Amino acid sequence: AQRVTQPEKLLSVFKGAPVELKCNYSYSGSPELFWYVQYSRQRLQLLLRHISRESIKGFTADLNKGETSFHLKKPFAQEEDSAMYYCALLIQGAQKLVFGQGTRLTINP
Amino acid sequence: GAVVSQHPSWVICKSGTSVKIECRSLDFQATTMFWYRQFPKQSLMLMATSNEGSKATYEQGVEKDKFLINHASLTLSTLTVTSAHPEDSSFYICSADRGGGTQYFGPGTRLLVL
Repeated sequence: AQRVTQPEKLLSVFKGAPVELKCNYSYSGSPELFWYVQYSRQRLQLLLRHISRESIKGFTADLNKGETSFHLKKPFAQEEDSAMYYCALLIQGAQKLVFGQGTRLTINP
Repeated sequence: GAVVSQHPSWVICKSGTSVKIECRSLDFQATTMFWYRQFPKQSLMLMATSNEGSKATYEQGVEKDKFLINHASLTLSTLTVTSAHPEDSSFYICSADRGGGTQYFGPGTRLLVL
């Protein structure tokens, strides 16, 4: 079965602290994963895609096939990072995305 | 680049009427467009995948006669909620893929059926 699991609905950290948003997936094919972010009252936007190996706004994510994980990390959280974060898996062939339930990240001052 | 617009941004209608929502890719041609539904405090639920010039592919449990999708060009897809009822009230979001798997999302349309 194709599934994306984000175990934390809510995550709260202090400004300047490290943050890690967990994402696990289940997929029989070659996984291609994304992190999307939705700031308050804004549309969903791409944060990063694992094949690009970029660091966007200080965030990185490494695909770990052994653990079937794609956790999102940032060493020093900023208040503007407060948002809803969605992990998504691309289903090859159909080219559709399967989304996790999302994690609401709150950065406390 | 890669901007997707939706119109209208919100709509209120009476039960039994039909509502059309437009999704446009403004600065690129979309090989595929997608329609999602999002309930409050929940994730996005894919309703259907739409390719230009062909019939949409609906996800299991989505009524194709209820949610009509037309993909007239490489930059325009429309979702028509036919004979809308209060339970159809939701936030509808479209996205577009210009090839490669990355989807670019519209701002969403909030539908309220009275």
